[in-house]
Amino acid sequence: QVVLVQSGAEVKRPGTSVKISCKPSGYRFTTHDIHWVRQVPGQGLEWVAIINPETGTTEYAQDVQGRVTVTSDTSAATVFLEVRRLRSDDTAVFYCARDRLPGYFDHWGQGTPVIVSS
Amino acid sequence: ETVLTQSPGTLSLSAGDRATLSCRASQSVNKNFVAWYRQKPGQTPRLLIYDASNRATGIPDRFSGSASGTDFTLTIARLEPEDSAVYYCQQYGNSPQWTFGQGTRVEIK
Repeated sequence: QVVLVQSGAEVKRPGTSVKISCKPSGYRFTTHDIHWVRQVPGQGLEWVAIINPETGTTEYAQDVQGRVTVTSDTSAATVFLEVRRLRSDDTAVFYCARDRLPGYFDHWGQGTPVIVSS
Repeated sequence: ETVLTQSPGTLSLSAGDRATLSCRASQSVNKNFVAWYRQKPGQTPRLLIYDASNRATGIPDRFSGSASGTDFTLTIARLEPEDSAVYYCQQYGNSPQWTFGQGTRVEIK
């Protein structure tokens, strides 16, 4: 069955960077795009980015452009999300999700909490 | 950007009731490409409906979706206690940005 396993919780200082991972299994890695979605505690879902794992082509939400990078490692069948210059309001749970054409999210990872605190 | 506005903010109903959740788009959504997700407390979102009216794998037929212009509706017939959750609509028809509604909380009295 399709499963997306994410890396564990992170606690970071403001101004530093964090890199979290998402490892899908149960299907061929390169056949589906992967999205990242952010959820601030107590709030709703916010789309962050998408990557084509085969080509590395990415798109980003406007408000994270320049501070977020999504990459894929096809040999490890893993997708990564890096957030730089962390701020306290970056504290959130980040989910990866598999894209199913024409663009809905049919499987989700368990979420990775990122806490930014001095 | 296509903004999705969900109403009501909170729905408080009894088990066995019918729940009607609304999602209004700020502009037409190409091919009615709207999905609905359920997020139970402390859990990951789960896909319920895609393409406005198609149930995802394993979703019971108590859940149904419909579309009319820029209005999208999720109906849950015969509420069960396990349906207590936040429900989000999402559009994926107006690329390149994917957007979510702010959510409707369903409480079972």
